Amino acid sequence: QVQLVESGGGVVQPGRSLRLSCAASGFTFTTHGMHWVRQAPGKGLEWVAVIWYDGSNQYYADSVKGRFTISRDNSKNTVYLQMNSLRAEDTAMYYCARDRGAGTTASPHDYWGQGTLVTVSS
Amino acid sequence: DIQMTQSPSTLSASVGDRVTITCRASQSISSWLAWYQQKPGKAPKLLIYKASSLESGVPSRFSGSGFGTEFTLTISSLQPDDFATYFCQQYDSYSQTFGQGTKLEIK
Repeated sequence: QVQLVESGGGVVQPGRSLRLSCAASGFTFTTHGMHWVRQAPGKGLEWVAVIWYDGSNQYYADSVKGRFTISRDNSKNTVYLQMNSLRAEDTAMYYCARDRGAGTTASPHDYWGQGTLVTVSS
Repeated sequence: DIQMTQSPSTLSASVGDRVTITCRASQSISSWLAWYQQKPGKAPKLLIYKASSLESGVPSRFSGSGFGTEFTLTISSLQPDDFATYFCQQYDSYSQTFGQGTKLEIK
């Protein structure tokens, strides 16, 4: 069965960096785009970034562009989110989610991990 | 960015009721709309994609409709397991956006 397991969250000071990981299993990782979606405490969902199945293209929400980088290692079935210059408003549960397709055209997210919590606080 | 507006924000209903949630897009998104269900402390779950296609394994009491800028999610006969928060999502563009959510509460 499809599994997505996020890790790497924690408490970090403003301005510092953090790298999240999402380990995938139960499907052919190299044929699916992957997303990061976040949810601030008690708030709605915010799409963060997507990476194509082969890693050749990435797209970001304006709120994180220039600070966050999504990448993937298809040999390890893992997608990453490098978060730099963190701000208090980046505090959220971060979910990785599988794109129904290759990521080359927008598609819904058909499987989600359980999330990893990032808290940005001094 | 395309803005998604859901209504109502909160909905109180009883088991067996028929309920409808509306999602409006700030510009046309054709049929590129999904609906998700989220329960407290859990990840969202895909219910409907392409506005009206039922995801595999989702009960048939859930249905979606709409095109362009106005969409609806209908639950034909509420079950106890359906009390949750529902989000719409447009995926017409890479910069995907979600509605603010509708919390479905027990009356």
